[in-house]
Amino acid sequence: DQQVKQNSPSLSVQEGRISILNCDYTNSMFDYFLWYKKYPAEGPTFLISISSIKDKNEDGRFTVFLNKSAKHLSLHIVPSQPGDSAVYFCAASGDNYGQNFVFGPGTRLSVLP
Amino acid sequence: DAGVIQSPRHEVTEMGQEVTLRCKPISGHDYLFWYRQTMMRGLELLIYFNNNVPIDDSGMPEDRFSAKMPNASFSTLKIQPSEPRDSAVYFCASSLERGLAGYTFGSGTRLTVV
Repeated sequence: DQQVKQNSPSLSVQEGRISILNCDYTNSMFDYFLWYKKYPAEGPTFLISISSIKDKNEDGRFTVFLNKSAKHLSLHIVPSQPGDSAVYFCAASGDNYGQNFVFGPGTRLSVLP
Repeated sequence: DAGVIQSPRHEVTEMGQEVTLRCKPISGHDYLFWYRQTMMRGLELLIYFNNNVPIDDSGMPEDRFSAKMPNASFSTLKIQPSEPRDSAVYFCASSLERGLAGYTFGSGTRLTVV
């Protein structure tokens, strides 16, 4: 059973508009969350994180929102750019050191010019 | 720093053969992780090491899989014998202790077992 779910395998958005990528988790012990971006033929790269003591974290065009009661987080990209086209993975961890992350299956974002 | 270095980038082998994947983590990183990515299961943690010691290998699918970290700068993932269902992209990643900023991944090894 997947503990971290990304129910949309793909998403297409027009350049300049907002991209919203969603992630749901089942384990209430998870308290630290990351988003990674992956381009073809490359390894995933860290994008942004959030801990359970916060409900929002912002870094430039990227904002992550966390709703602990709903066990849901989302990544907002505003404005979306063609270079944002990639696969986005949500990851969650519940151990003290945040080392053992469980990854979701990923969402492929396509930003159309 | 050159980042996490994996070799080979691509490996094609016949069923039954032994396959060895290699990883050089970032210098100073205390944790090393092996992940496997497939279409069906996404990114799965296979095993991770802390200070060269295996901590959790519960993700290793079968006894055919083994991983070693003989020193802080080198790790191997071995599959013996390989099977077609092992075909996937295998990623190595490393992080500092308390790697709350996330892992640094290598570019992966694409393994095809025919």
